[in-house]
Amino acid sequence: QKEVEQNSGPLSVPEGAIASLNCTYSDRVSQSFFWYRQYSGKSPELIMSIYSNGDKEDGRFTAQLNKASQYVSLLIRDSQPSDSATYLCAVTMIYNQGGKLIFGQGTELSVKP
Amino acid sequence: DAEITQSPRHKITETGRQVTLACHQTWNHNNMFWYRQDLGHGLRLIHYSYGVHDTNKGEVSDGYSVSRSNTEDLPLTLESAASSQTSVYFCASSESRLGNTEAFFGQGTRLTVV
Repeated sequence: QKEVEQNSGPLSVPEGAIASLNCTYSDRVSQSFFWYRQYSGKSPELIMSIYSNGDKEDGRFTAQLNKASQYVSLLIRDSQPSDSATYLCAVTMIYNQGGKLIFGQGTELSVKP
Repeated sequence: DAEITQSPRHKITETGRQVTLACHQTWNHNNMFWYRQDLGHGLRLIHYSYGVHDTNKGEVSDGYSVSRSNTEDLPLTLESAASSQTSVYFCASSESRLGNTEAFFGQGTRLTVV
């Protein structure tokens, strides 16, 4: 079982709709959770981080964390064509020396005008 | 402004050659990571370091090595390049040993092994 799993997609939504991206992780010692966006040919950039159970909102983005279910999600409201990218879920797993940042395989999102 | 830079941006090498990819960060971050990215696999961790003289193996470390002699640099060496190591390589750095801070990425190095 992979440590961090995402549906690879592609996920296609119409402009203005809500895009829902999901991620599960296997290690219960996971501490910190991140969503990165990666445009084609570019490096990943952080869009959201979440550390405790519940929802965290930032503009059109909402991250949701449920540690009991080992599940983290990202909602993008009012999706725009500029949101078309690959979204990478990342989890920091804490071991005796520190945090190891592990990524899922990414979900490709396509927002159609 | 602080940054993280990788060099070269593109590299073509022959099977069996030793190759070193450079990563330099001016954030003064403790943590540095090397990932490879292949279609369908996302970012897979190769090696990582929590500080000077500290290195650790990631999930796909075979055929790769790193060393950390100062805070700023974590070069990645392919001992004997193989076609299976054709990939895009990303270096990243972050501040906290607890992993609760943002990781910043370099621009990536596209390596082709022929």
